[in-house]
Amino acid sequence: EVQLVQSGAEVRKSGEPLKISCKASGYMFTSHWIGWVRQMPGKDLEYIGMIYPTDSDTKYSPASRGQVTISVDKSISTAWLQWSSLKASDTAMYYCARRGCDGQTCYDFWGQGTLVTVSS
Amino acid sequence: QSALTQPASVSGSPGQSVTISCTGFRSDVGFYSYVSWYQQYAAKAPTLIIYEFSKRPSGVSNRFSGSQSGNTASLTISGLQAEDEADYYCSSYTNTVWLFGGGTKLTVL
Repeated sequence: EVQLVQSGAEVRKSGEPLKISCKASGYMFTSHWIGWVRQMPGKDLEYIGMIYPTDSDTKYSPASRGQVTISVDKSISTAWLQWSSLKASDTAMYYCARRGCDGQTCYDFWGQGTLVTVSS
Repeated sequence: QSALTQPASVSGSPGQSVTISCTGFRSDVGFYSYVSWYQQYAAKAPTLIIYEFSKRPSGVSNRFSGSQSGNTASLTISGLQAEDEADYYCSSYTNTVWLFGGGTKLTVL
């Protein structure tokens, strides 16, 4: 059974660093990109970026480039999303998802989400 | 890059059909987009219900169907049930670029 299990909710202050995780199981981790998606309170889904575990090839959305860092450790089937200096506007639910389907054209399995709350 | 465009809300009575549209993905020469649809219940993670415009993952009810006509992708839910009340998002993948729509809230009357 494919599973993506994310780390628990975090509360931080503006300016603090943070790293959240997404641990995959039930499939060959190196065969699928892992993507990250943000959902601000009451808002829609926003694509942040994705990483290919085999070679750590990483792609970011224009809005996210320079704001976050996506990384991976294939030896423990885990991907991370990190901030060096949080802002109050980073308050959101963050989801990781596996890029899948026939041509890897969709996100077929999702983590349960990590709620990040940043106070100013 | 602009998000995809969906209606903010749709509604229907049990047993009826509803269709949600999605526009804004690229389909001009040299660009081919793959549209997928996701269902999200309140305070839950999204789940995939349609991919590549019209394909249904195993385990998804055949009451959900997808189609494409030109620059518009559509999700149709037939035989509406109370459990279908949720938010629905379209997403497109084009040349390594992912976009999501603004989401459509489905209310079952």
